[in-house]
Amino acid sequence: GAVVSQHPSRVICKSGTSVKIECRSLDFQATTMFWYRQFPKQSLMLMATSNEGSKATYEQGVEKDKFLINHASLTLSTLTVTSAHPEDSSFYICSARGAGPYEQYFGPGTRLTVT
Amino acid sequence: AQSVTQLGSHVSVSEGALVLLRCNYSSSVPPYLFWYVQYPNQGLQLLLKYTTGATLVKGINGFEAEFKKSETSFHLTKPSAHMSDAAEYFCAEGENTGTASKLTFGTGTRLQVTL
Repeated sequence: GAVVSQHPSRVICKSGTSVKIECRSLDFQATTMFWYRQFPKQSLMLMATSNEGSKATYEQGVEKDKFLINHASLTLSTLTVTSAHPEDSSFYICSARGAGPYEQYFGPGTRLTVT
Repeated sequence: AQSVTQLGSHVSVSEGALVLLRCNYSSSVPPYLFWYVQYPNQGLQLLLKYTTGATLVKGINGFEAEFKKSETSFHLTKPSAHMSDAAEYFCAEGENTGTASKLTFGTGTRLQVTL
């Protein structure tokens, strides 16, 4: 149980275009999902907390108009990188909150390359 | 803000040798502590966690960690390394911000296992 999927696993897009990444909890409902960004050989940096049916909470320094988060259902959260630029190239990982304290189940990640 | 420190960004051990990955946390209140493993181009997998109770926590794949309040440490150990243990390891601490239960990650330690 507690499986989280992400789609796509890899995406290449051209500078200036937008790309959407999906995060799904496959066998449980997740009222809260988290979006992280990971640069090569670095740790995970929390970008935002996504709550079903309400606006996402963004971490300091993360542009909410550039990284649009929608948590429309209890099993799906999406991250849209708008007007992507090469510096947005990164590994994006989502997680879904579990029942235990601070418990999170992580997706496999999406590697975004902006050319 | 909480911080998690992982000493040694890179640790190399021989197959069969003891694995010791260090983690220190900053919280002054009883912490929730986690160790995750990340294989290349994949998400994070939970190895073990400390919430309350026994300070020696056993996890998957033969790993264990000991919570030491006096040292604010939660070091990860495995008696005998296997080639398949080569991966990136992240220590994390639960952070209660009032509106969300977030994880603060250390910078990670890359474990290399040699023959």
